[in-house]
Amino acid sequence: QVQLVESGGGVVEPGRSLRLSCAASAFSFSRNAMHWVRQAPGKGLEWLAVISYDGSNNYYADSVKGRFTISRDNSKNTLDLQMNSLRAEDTAVYYCACLEGATNYWGRGTLVTVSS
Amino acid sequence: QSALTQPASVSGSPGQSITISCTGTSSDVGHSIYNYVSWFQQHPGRAPKLMISEVSNRPSGVSSRFSGSKSGNTASLTISGLQAEDEADYYCSSYTTTSTLVVFGGGTKLTVL
Repeated sequence: QVQLVESGGGVVEPGRSLRLSCAASAFSFSRNAMHWVRQAPGKGLEWLAVISYDGSNNYYADSVKGRFTISRDNSKNTLDLQMNSLRAEDTAVYYCACLEGATNYWGRGTLVTVSS
Repeated sequence: QSALTQPASVSGSPGQSITISCTGTSSDVGHSIYNYVSWFQQHPGRAPKLMISEVSNRPSGVSSRFSGSKSGNTASLTISGLQAEDEADYYCSSYTTTSTLVVFGGGTKLTVL
């Protein structure tokens, strides 16, 4: 059974950094682009970033460009999201996901709360 | 403000059909070549679930009551024979030729009366 398990969430002060990780199992992780998507409390889904299957290309939403960095390690089947200069509006549940057409998997998410 | 526009809410009675629209631009939903519009269902506290991919493809295990289509810059999700379990939030998404690559709609809350 495919599993995507996010970790690294928690409470962090504004301006600080946090690194999220996503461990993948039971699917061809290294063959698929991977995404991060977040959902603020009571709000809709917001796409954040994507990294190509081999890590050579990535794209970001304007809201996080220059602050967040997506990366992957195909030898470990892991996906990361380095988040710098965090703001209160970054408070959300962060999901890692494979959104390749019908190859569509989501983790359960990890909650990040940015607060002093 | 979301890149794709969805109605905030729709409602219907059990057994009825409803349609949720998702309006974008020629850079995303209405792109002449790419048909990468997906629809997701999300129940409270749960991760999103893919219901439709590539405009109209229904993944294995998804009820045939769910169908998708596209006309111009607007994609649509139709749910026929509404059931109580269909009550959820629904999101559309699309690849886009802009620098961001992927965009979501703002979501539509479906209420089954």
